[in-house]
Order: sequence, then C-alpha cells, then structure tokens
Amino acid sequence: NAGVTQTPKFQVLKTGQSMTLQCAQDMNHEYMSWYRQDPGMGLRLIHYSVGAGITDQGEVPNGYNVSRSTTEDFPLRLLSAAPSQTSVYFCASSYLGGRATGELFFGEGSRLTVL
Amino acid sequence: AQTVTQSQPEMSVQEAETVTLSCTYDTSESDYYLFWYKQPPSRQMILVIRQEAYKQQNATENRFSVNFQKAAKSFSLKISDSQLGDAAMYFCAYRSPYSGGGADGLTFGKGTHLIIQP
Repeated sequence: NAGVTQTPKFQVLKTGQSMTLQCAQDMNHEYMSWYRQDPGMGLRLIHYSVGAGITDQGEVPNGYNVSRSTTEDFPLRLLSAAPSQTSVYFCASSYLGGRATGELFFGEGSRLTVL
Repeated sequence: AQTVTQSQPEMSVQEAETVTLSCTYDTSESDYYLFWYKQPPSRQMILVIRQEAYKQQNATENRFSVNFQKAAKSFSLKISDSQLGDAAMYFCAYRSPYSGGGADGLTFGKGTHLIIQP
C-alpha cells in the first residue's frame, strides 16, 4: 500500500517556466489537498478537492492551478513560476463523511526552487 | 476562521527528561479534531496523536500524551522519556468536521523545533 505519492521530490525552475507536481493516492480518499511549507509559516492550504471534478481554493491559491479528473490523482500546476513560489509542497488526502477521522495522510513533499 | 498558535519556536530537553509543547487555538465550533504532527529532518509529516473535541479523556500514544483543555482552547503535547529520535519540528493542527466535510483541511500552527540534548 503506497499511500500518497508525490513526484518529483526536487525540482529547480527558472522564473516563467511551467511545471506540474504530481500527486496520487491509493486509499480511495475523497479529499485531496495541496499545502506549501515556508520557514516560520507552518503549512498553508493552496487548493483542495472533495471529489472527482470538484476543486476549490485554499488560503494561498494565486499562481497555482489544480484539476481532479479521477479519485486517485490531484496534480498541482505552476503556469509561470516565480521566486515567491520557492517552497516545499505537500499533497495530503483523507476520507470524508462517515469514514472520516480528521487525519490527513501526507506525501513525502516536493522541494521546489525557482531561480 | 480558526487560528492555531504555538508560542514556543524552539524547545530543548535533556534525553530521558519530559518536555511539554504548548498549543492554543481559536474557534467558535463545539466539535472538531486536534492533532500533533512530527516533522523530522526527512521532511515526512508523521501523525503523533489525535484528539476529538467531544471526548473529555486526553489522548495517549505510548510516551506521548496531551492535555486538552477545551474551555481554555489549549492542547499541549507532553513527551515523556525523551529520546534522540524525538528531535523534530512539531506542528499543532486543527480540523473542522464541518465546512463541507472538513474541506478547510488542517489549520497549522507555525511549529516548535524540539532539540534533544544527549
């Protein structure tokens, strides 16, 4: 059971380049989300999804796009990278509704550097 | 919106001693979840302990226990018999079971860096 898998683990981009962070989970979780972690800031929610075809913005959505075409996958797209997007990104998922325990299951994180 | 405050950016404790990490939160809800997550240098987010607000009994997981004071909106983590492997960032987090079934996700504090002195 792989849990939540994120790729790539590390990425260096130049300003203005685009890229996609991949996230997949094999636990049949309804809820998936992306967080960014910056020093001294904790983790902040970027976007989330409560099911296939449904996405919404979190606390810091600007500069990021998401889509959810399947239950398993929730990619995060940076259309035109900026140095302010240098961060560590986490994908996390959970059950909702009757099976919910509140706990989020995290991927291993992706360190992104924008030069 | 809920807020979570960790007032100790860094704590240091001698190996085998006990340490308590503080967390306070602000909410108008009566039912919610509270968590402590550990983040070692490997960067992985590891769930340490979970508390449901409607349960009065404090959660315990081996050497880790919490002091949950609902009226004071306080949720501290006690680590007994500290070990070198406990060195990490510790994050306190809140989650509402409502708002679209927890769609707000976790609200995190800014973290406490725990140092274990050998």
